[in-house]
Amino acid sequence: DAGVTQSPTHLIKTRGQQVTLRCSPKSGHDTVSWYQQALGQGPQFIFQYYEEEERQRGNFPDRFSGHQFPNYSSELNVNALLLGDSALYLCASSLERGLETQYFGPGTRLLVL
Amino acid sequence: EDQVTQSPEALRLQEGESSSLNCSYTVSGLRGLFWYRQDPGKGPEFLFTLYSAGEEKEKERLKATLTKKESFLHITAPKPEDSATYLCAAGNQAGTALIFGKGTTLSVSS
Repeated sequence: DAGVTQSPTHLIKTRGQQVTLRCSPKSGHDTVSWYQQALGQGPQFIFQYYEEEERQRGNFPDRFSGHQFPNYSSELNVNALLLGDSALYLCASSLERGLETQYFGPGTRLLVL
Repeated sequence: EDQVTQSPEALRLQEGESSSLNCSYTVSGLRGLFWYRQDPGKGPEFLFTLYSAGEEKEKERLKATLTKKESFLHITAPKPEDSATYLCAAGNQAGTALIFGKGTTLSVSS
């Protein structure tokens, strides 16, 4: 049973550039959430997608946007990158049935120079 | 504002020395309390979900408990391979986002 997969594993960008991160959910899951984890901090919720719609959003600017595809995979896009966007970006998948357990992928390490 | 606080920030144990990690939460309408283990540079690995006060879950050397204000992760006779950061997260009535604490970094030496 394949778990949550994310690509790429690492990425280096410069300020002002745009980046797209990808996530495939665990088999059978239909809901994808994205989190940002700065060094030494706990993950912070960015947004959640279900049925190709953004269902809930955390306290992140509009530079952060996303998409969910019919096969439940998802993308996270960040525009106009800032140095402070350097972090581990985590994707988590779950079943849409209230507060079901979220299973995390390995993450994408983004470094903005 | 909903908040999750973990203590201590770091914990060093000798192999076999049991201890507990604390997670206190201030969450409107707790819908679930989650424990994860995270190794350096990797994604969090699910350990337990607790839904109501008084509930307990066990897995190998780990036992999680929940009260109305906090949760504990008890580690019995830890081994060096238990070294990791342990994250606590809460889900509130507003939705399905998880609110995480900063984690407790556990180091177990032989």
